Amino acid sequence: GAVVSQHPSWVICKSGTSVKIECRSLDFQATTMFWYRQFPKQSLMLMATSNEGSKATYEQGVEKDKFLINHASLTLSTLTVTSAHPEDSSFYICSAQTSGRAFSYNEQFFGPGTRLTVL
Amino acid sequence: EDQVTQSPEALRLQEGESSSLNCSYTVSGLRGLFWYRQDPGKGPEFLFTLYSAGEEKEKERLKATLTKKESFLHITAPKPEDSATYLCAVGRAGNMLTFGGGTRLMVKP
Repeated sequence: GAVVSQHPSWVICKSGTSVKIECRSLDFQATTMFWYRQFPKQSLMLMATSNEGSKATYEQGVEKDKFLINHASLTLSTLTVTSAHPEDSSFYICSAQTSGRAFSYNEQFFGPGTRLTVL
Repeated sequence: EDQVTQSPEALRLQEGESSSLNCSYTVSGLRGLFWYRQDPGKGPEFLFTLYSAGEEKEKERLKATLTKKESFLHITAPKPEDSATYLCAVGRAGNMLTFGGGTRLMVKP
């Protein structure tokens, strides 16, 4: 149980275009989803937190108009990188959290990540 | 401000050579200490959660321990397939995690 998927697994786009990344919890309902960014040989940096039906909460320094997050249901969250530029190239990882008794408090389950390359 | 520091940054071991990875933390109100394994190009894979000082958890060749200031991930008789980056994270208010920089482990046959 507790499987999280991401789509696509990799994407290459031209500078100035927008890219949408999907994150789905496959076998549980995610009360909260998180989006992280990871640069090569660095750790995960939290970008934003989203709860179903609510506006996302962004970490300091993350542009909310550039990284649009939608959490439309308890199993789906999307991250749209608008007007992408080469410096946005990174590994984007989502995670999902549930409040079910079978899971430890604060435990997050991670997706496989999406490699974004902006040319 | 919450801080998580992992050491060493990189560790090379021979197969069968046991060692420990360290995760030191300062956090206002610890809400769990988490260990994850991450393989290149993949998302983190959950290993352990520890909540109180003195707690220990084991899984195969891995054992995680927790004190009030740090956590250790002990690897006993590692195999090449244990090669990965090991991440620790502290849980904080708002259900969020703060990650350390990770330890890249390489186990040579």
